[in-house]
Amino acid sequence: DGGITQSPKYLFRKEGQNVTLSCEQNLNHDAMYWYRQDPGQGLRLIYYSQIVNDFQKGDIAEGYSVSREKKESFPLTVTSAQKNPTAFYLCASSMKVWRETQYFGPGTRLLVL
Amino acid sequence: DQQVKQNSPSLSVQEGRISILNCDYTNSMFDYFLWYKKYPAEGPTFLISISSIKDKNEDGRFTVFLNKSAKHLSLHIVPSQPGDSAVYFCAASARGRDDKIIFGKGTRLHILP
Repeated sequence: DGGITQSPKYLFRKEGQNVTLSCEQNLNHDAMYWYRQDPGQGLRLIYYSQIVNDFQKGDIAEGYSVSREKKESFPLTVTSAQKNPTAFYLCASSMKVWRETQYFGPGTRLLVL
Repeated sequence: DQQVKQNSPSLSVQEGRISILNCDYTNSMFDYFLWYKKYPAEGPTFLISISSIKDKNEDGRFTVFLNKSAKHLSLHIVPSQPGDSAVYFCAASARGRDDKIIFGKGTRLHILP
């Protein structure tokens, strides 16, 4: 049963704390992406990765970091430098970067306490 | 600068009637267009796409029309069903240049009984 999983579904962060959102895919896709969605907004690209051990900044990368040590995994860390982290975070993957339809995970809602 | 615009934040349609969702774009380099459907607290799911070499693509109840001269595309859903109530995102990319996919802000479709 192939797909993309994100965990946790809800995450609470205290001020000044770093948190890591998990994204795993078993679709054998090369490319993975992280988006942020705010109410009434489209999906804004945070980071993307075309291949293992490589990743590129998107439109709103400040305050975020990623790693791509394995093809299946693309975790996103929301650092304390991110001033407004409360949002719905979506991970996606595609066979190749930008040339294929992206498949999305169920999302993680991050709330700041 | 919004390259993909969905000017109607919401739309209400009677069950059984046609739903028409509109999308405008400004970048003449875009040559591939997609529609995604999103339920609350879930990730978007791919619905239908169209390449710029076509002006129409149909898949069951869903048809996408592309008017390149007007830089406009529309998604028609016929007949509309209660399960179609969701947010619909229009997206575009310039695949020949490996450019990223740009998403609109979405239109919330309400199917009325």
